[in-house]
Amino acid sequence: EVQLLESGGGLVQPGGSLRLSCAASGFTFSHSVMRWVRQAPGKGLEWVSGITADGGVTRYADSVKGHFTISRDNSKSTLYLQMNSLTAEDTAVYYCAKGGDASYVYYFAHWGQGTLVTVSS
Amino acid sequence: QTVVTQEPSFSVSPGGTVTLTCGLTSGSVSNTYNPSWYQQTPGQAPRTLIYNTNTRSSGVPDRFSGSILENKAALTITGAQADDESDYYCVLYMGGGIWVFGGGTKLTVL
Repeated sequence: EVQLLESGGGLVQPGGSLRLSCAASGFTFSHSVMRWVRQAPGKGLEWVSGITADGGVTRYADSVKGHFTISRDNSKSTLYLQMNSLTAEDTAVYYCAKGGDASYVYYFAHWGQGTLVTVSS
Repeated sequence: QTVVTQEPSFSVSPGGTVTLTCGLTSGSVSNTYNPSWYQQTPGQAPRTLIYNTNTRSSGVPDRFSGSILENKAALTITGAQADDESDYYCVLYMGGGIWVFGGGTKLTVL
């Protein structure tokens, strides 16, 4: 069974930093595209970032480019999101999501339960 | 800037059929956008329903179906049930590793 467990959320002051983690199990992590999606309170889903299976290629939404960094440690089956220069607009539940399998990767196949990030003074 | 459009809200009677759509403010949605659909109830993580336009994810009842209708991606629920009352999101692949979600449709079953 695929499991994705996010951690690292919490309350942070504007301008601060936070690193989210997503521990994966139940599948071959090193073969899977991984992504982060967030959801501000009462709002819809927003794709944040994605990373290829080997970590060699990363992509970001314009709203976080230059402030967030996605990375992964395949030896630990863990995905990360380093978030810097946080603002109130970054307040959201952050979900990690697994891409599809090798035959078709173009969707969000599995989701974690999410971790809440609150940016406030 | 590309905007993916969805109906903000929709209602359907129990046992009825409803079609939710996913469009673009500029252009038409086709299979090349790899449309997929997700269901979310309050406080829960999204659940994957449909991918590759019309492929149901594992365990999804066959009353959920996907298609392309009149230049939009569409999610049809046939024989709606009370527990289908949820928010529904589509997402389109823009290429180059970039994704854009629609704003979501709040479906009421009454």
